[in-house]
Amino acid sequence: RKEVEQDPGPFNVPEGATVAFNCTYSNSASQSFFWYRQDCRKEPKLLMSVYSSGNEDGRFTAQLNRASQYISLLIRDSKLSDSATYLCVVNDRGNKLVFGAGTILRVKS
Amino acid sequence: DVKVTQSSRYLVKRTGEKVFLECVQDMDHENMFWYRQDPGLGLRLIYFSYDVKMKEKGDIPEGYSVSREKKERFSLILESASTNQTSMYLCASSLDRVRLEQYFGPGTRLTVT
Repeated sequence: RKEVEQDPGPFNVPEGATVAFNCTYSNSASQSFFWYRQDCRKEPKLLMSVYSSGNEDGRFTAQLNRASQYISLLIRDSKLSDSATYLCVVNDRGNKLVFGAGTILRVKS
Repeated sequence: DVKVTQSSRYLVKRTGEKVFLECVQDMDHENMFWYRQDPGLGLRLIYFSYDVKMKEKGDIPEGYSVSREKKERFSLILESASTNQTSMYLCASSLDRVRLEQYFGPGTRLTVT
């Protein structure tokens, strides 16, 4: 079983739609969780950290479910500029992070 | 803003050459990492470092070595480049053992012919 699993997609959605991605992780001792965004041929960039209580940043909402070992990302009112690959990231032992393979989002007009 | 820079965006080397990839961060981060990214395989950790002169193997260290002589600089060395080391190489840094979020450099696309 992979340490971090994501649906690779692609998710094709119209502008203005709401879209959600889930990610499961295998290490129950993980304490830190993140979503990164990666544009084509660019480096990954931190989108948001995921906290136990859930957190929101504008149109983006992240949730953590420790019991089921999954995290989610909800994007409301999708924009063309949201098209990217979204990486689910979980900490392994110590300072290491484990990156999922990513979910591709394509927002179309 | 955190800034992580890498010495080259594109590099072409011949099989058997020794290759140096340099990474510099300007935010006094303790931790630095080298990854490679290949289509369908995602990011894979090669080596990382928690402190100057310290290094730890990641998931795929074979064929690579690293050097961290100064806190801000972390070098990846391909001792004898091979065609299966053609890849995108990404350097990242993070603040310390509590703040784990990593910040990436722009990447070096290495082609070994």
